[in-house]
Amino acid sequence: AQSVAQPEDQVNVAEGNPLTVKCTYSVSGNPYLFWYVQYPNRGLQFLLKYITGDNLVKGSYGFEAEFNKSQTSFHLKKPSALVSDSALYFCAVRDLTPWDYKLSFGAGTTVTVRA
Amino acid sequence: ETGVTQSPTHLIKTRGQQVTLRCSSQSGHNTVSWYQQALGQGPQFIFQYYREEENGRGNFPPRFSGLQFPNYSSELNVNALELDDSALYLCASSPSGNSYEQYFGPGTRLTVT
Repeated sequence: AQSVAQPEDQVNVAEGNPLTVKCTYSVSGNPYLFWYVQYPNRGLQFLLKYITGDNLVKGSYGFEAEFNKSQTSFHLKKPSALVSDSALYFCAVRDLTPWDYKLSFGAGTTVTVRA
Repeated sequence: ETGVTQSPTHLIKTRGQQVTLRCSSQSGHNTVSWYQQALGQGPQFIFQYYREEENGRGNFPPRFSGLQFPNYSSELNVNALELDDSALYLCASSPSGNSYEQYFGPGTRLTVT
């Protein structure tokens, strides 16, 4: 069984400062990892994924994430945060079973970017 | 836009009633998954359908059931509603031949009173 932990309920940063949202995972084999963002009263929007290859993954809206196998982490980063980045962020992991699309999500981290 | 649509947007039901939620997958997607997102929590996997067959289920009781139709649209049915069923219900579809990304709809907000 796979699981994800997001150790911070909230992250507060000033606009223009770097933003990091932490995520650690647990899987039996190699992980497929994802980040999604959710705005109020909206569904989930895909940001980026790690399947294989380069440990630094670039995604939408200037976000990137670094896969670290030894630390079982997949932290989301943005070099310069915007007020519009304020939202709820979810890390998710996928099971390796072929044709099993189930995602296991963390509890989410609320990001607030102040002007 | 992901192209996944859900209806209705909001729904209020009374404990003990039954509810049907609907999802229209993005064109070309043959797999749909349903998730329950309670307030303040991450989405929890309910079940998924591939080519009209259920091929995965999370830790939800049998009163949660589903259907997938030949056009790959889907329904989630919940019988004997309980107060704890109040949540945002999300539908996600995946494209044929691509098992990595799921595209989520905007969700249906269900309130059980």
